[in-house]
Amino acid sequence: AQSVSQHNHHVILSEAASLELGCNYSYGGTVNLFWYVQYPGQHLQLLLKYFSGDPLVKGIKGFEAEFIKSKFSFNLRKPSVQWSDTAEYFCAVISFSGGYNKLIFGAGTRLAVHP
Amino acid sequence: SAVISQKPSRDICQRGTSLTIQCQVDSQVTMMFWYRQQPGQSLTLIATANQGSEATYESGFVIDKFPISRPNLTFSTLTVSNMSPEDSSIYLCSVSGTATYEQYFGPGTRLTVT
Repeated sequence: AQSVSQHNHHVILSEAASLELGCNYSYGGTVNLFWYVQYPGQHLQLLLKYFSGDPLVKGIKGFEAEFIKSKFSFNLRKPSVQWSDTAEYFCAVISFSGGYNKLIFGAGTRLAVHP
Repeated sequence: SAVISQKPSRDICQRGTSLTIQCQVDSQVTMMFWYRQQPGQSLTLIATANQGSEATYESGFVIDKFPISRPNLTFSTLTVSNMSPEDSSIYLCSVSGTATYEQYFGPGTRLTVT
């Protein structure tokens, strides 16, 4: 079965630092990949997605992610973080099973950005 | 994207009781899902709610404990039955369409069982 690994559970950065959060999924073939963000006290929001095409995906709020098929990876990046990026970030992949699709989430990465 | 609301937003319940959580979407959607997010953990899919048929449950979740209804394309309920403190979690519903695999999430219901 498809699974997702997020290697960084807690990340602490200063404002203006660059961010890269790791995400690996378990097997190849056609994959649909997502990053979701959960700001404190708010619900999950879709940050960006990859279905096909250009492996470098741009999302909201200056985030981007790169799909590297050979590495089974979909890392999230932002060149300069802000205090408002403090949140929990979840990588997710679609698993096709039993005739329907379901989202498999990674464990999440808590990002704290200090002013 | 769809606008999703959940009721209640939070509740504190006594063990042995049941709570029904409602999920309302502002447009017709094919797929609705129920997730659990235990404190400090990621999201785990409980079941997929199919309109007009039985819900499809994931391993570790059973209908007797988490009965689900999906009477139409905009509404679903999840009941947490015979609650214990281990059921204390955030319960979220999400929706997606047939043409897209994106899922959009509701605000969640924070359940505390004492």
